Amino acid sequence: GAVVSQHPSWVICKSGTSVKIECRSLDFQATTMFWYRQFPKQSLMLMATSNEGSKATYEQGVEKDKFLINHASLTLSTLTVTSAHPEDSSFYICSARHPGVGREAFFGQGTRLTVV
Amino acid sequence: GESVGLHLPTLSVQEGDNSIINCAYSNSASDYFIWYKQESGKGPQFIIDIRSNMDKRQGQRVTVLLNKTVKHLSLQIAATQPGDSAVYFCAGDSGNTPLVFGKGTRLSVIA
Repeated sequence: GAVVSQHPSWVICKSGTSVKIECRSLDFQATTMFWYRQFPKQSLMLMATSNEGSKATYEQGVEKDKFLINHASLTLSTLTVTSAHPEDSSFYICSARHPGVGREAFFGQGTRLTVV
Repeated sequence: GESVGLHLPTLSVQEGDNSIINCAYSNSASDYFIWYKQESGKGPQFIIDIRSNMDKRQGQRVTVLLNKTVKHLSLQIAATQPGDSAVYFCAGDSGNTPLVFGKGTRLSVIA
């Protein structure tokens, strides 16, 4: 299947700093990517839809100024957690659909963010 | 969207037995559903999908059943193996909208 890769796999940062997470589609172009957040023992919650060349669409309750999304190319979307706080510690996962595969969404391996 | 809750329910099965994992969805406009398997610390992995014009689809050792009348999906795993231990999520969308995930079930296989 199509490959979606995230980097880094895990990151520890100090409270108040910003962290950037990258999501790449390795063998296909993705005009749209999706960012999810998952707290321990919970389901995946959609945060935003990243659109290449335009502004991201954020779900209700997700602060767009805190979670900056940039989708500057057809293979890369980035999520920047600004001024991170311990409550932002979570597992962040991106996904994308391969245009030639259908409606199945392919997921990255996730990024574990720990804010200390 | 789909209902999402805290604290995943757990299903424990003996190795070799069949497993049935259930999922309820709330959006009647959803016309495509996927079952994903998520191992600890990893992203979701595709298992099987089904469109709303079907009520059953079979894969290798897995079967998905869809009951649109009661908005219910199930995933059946035959001859469950230790490697099947993971959290299983159903997800749905309507017309290429973002996938919305159900609350998930942790499957624990007892050797």
